[in-house]
Amino acid sequence: QAGLTQPPSVSKDLRQTATLTCTGNSDNVGTQGATWLQQHQGHPPKLLFYRNNNRPSGISDRFSASRSGNTASLTITGLQPEDEADYYCSAWDSSLSAWVFGGGTKVTVL
Amino acid sequence: EVQLVESGGGLVKPGGSLRLSCVASGFTFSSSNMNWVRQAPGRGLEWVSSISSSSAYIYYADSVKGRFTVSRDNAKNSLFLQINSLRAEDTAVYYCAREGLIVWGQGSLVTVSS
Repeated sequence: QAGLTQPPSVSKDLRQTATLTCTGNSDNVGTQGATWLQQHQGHPPKLLFYRNNNRPSGISDRFSASRSGNTASLTITGLQPEDEADYYCSAWDSSLSAWVFGGGTKVTVL
Repeated sequence: EVQLVESGGGLVKPGGSLRLSCVASGFTFSSSNMNWVRQAPGRGLEWVSSISSSSAYIYYADSVKGRFTVSRDNAKNSLFLQINSLRAEDTAVYYCAREGLIVWGQGSLVTVSS
């Protein structure tokens, strides 16, 4: 199954803003919306946003998400050391009848 | 508290079989579609299979089709993944995840090695 496209890494200074992108197509991100997951080393993934910009309770408002066409974006403002993690986007693909994932973006806080 | 707990992983020889289980609590399992997602060591997330709430709809990744079988027992709030004809490339942590990938278990490690 074809996947979503994410940059492999992003490095930013402490307290700066990082924007991660996730590009799919009209069968997945463009119509179904993107889900964003955070994964710290050695831990299971944790939901940040589902269906584009729905944030579950307990997720910091320093995280925000949006979508434009077939590209979804995750923005982290005021980067903190604990934000260092891998970030995955995912979406249900209505043509494939499958979940598709991006390869993940590793965020490093300098 | 919403919780998913996987079990059943372990070390298996190539060609062997394994059955993973996932027990759910804290939400209406019988109304939720469920998923299996795996992660090979040092790699990204890979979707494996999805099953609808009533088991009417079942989907598999091409990489596991014909070898893996997903099922569920709503009376026992349980999700299963029967894995047959295991290959080295099936070595991964297997996670169960609730509908929409909104809740994840802690994972169960499957290692395929002779």
